[in-house]
Amino acid sequence: GAVVSQHPSRVICKSGTSVKIECRSLDFQATTMFWYRQFPKQSLMLMATSNEGSKATYEQGVEKDKFLINHASLTLSTLTVTSAHPEDSSFYICSATKETFYGYTFGSGTRLTVV
Amino acid sequence: QKEVEQDPGPLSVPEGAIVSLNCTYSNSAFQYFMWYRQYSRKGPELLMYTYSSGNKEDGRFTAQVDKSSKYISLFIRDSQPSDSATYLCAMSVKNQGGKLIFGQGTELSVKP
Repeated sequence: GAVVSQHPSRVICKSGTSVKIECRSLDFQATTMFWYRQFPKQSLMLMATSNEGSKATYEQGVEKDKFLINHASLTLSTLTVTSAHPEDSSFYICSATKETFYGYTFGSGTRLTVV
Repeated sequence: QKEVEQDPGPLSVPEGAIVSLNCTYSNSAFQYFMWYRQYSRKGPELLMYTYSSGNKEDGRFTAQVDKSSKYISLFIRDSQPSDSATYLCAMSVKNQGGKLIFGQGTELSVKP
């Protein structure tokens, strides 16, 4: 149990366009979903925390207008990278949990390349 | 100073060796301690979690927490080439909405 599906797994887009990444909990209802960004050989950096039906909470330094998060249901959260630029190229990973403090399940990640 | 420090490695061991991976932390409020394994270009996979000082075993894996020293470890016995991955420690505090703080990750390579 506890499967999180994330797609697309990789996407290449042109500079200035927007990209949407989906994160779905397949067999459980996720009270909270998290979005992370990971650079090569570096750890996961939390971008934002989203709870169903409420606005996402962004970490300091993360532009909320650039990284739009929507958590429309208990099984779906989306991250939209708006007006993407090459510096937004990265590995984006979501995670979901119904247990608040541990037992997080991660998606398989999305590699975004902006050209 | 980072809240969670982890030696990035890389660490290379022969098959069958015992591997010790470690993290130190500075925030005494951390209550939950987790170890994740991440294969290249994939999302992290939860290996073990614990919330008390002491040892917790699961097959070839043992997680150890020493809250007095703010130090956690993951031991892998009889390491296999399939254990080659990056291992990330992570910690959380109950009243921070479940936010995980990750270590940098240790890259492990187990040679046949």
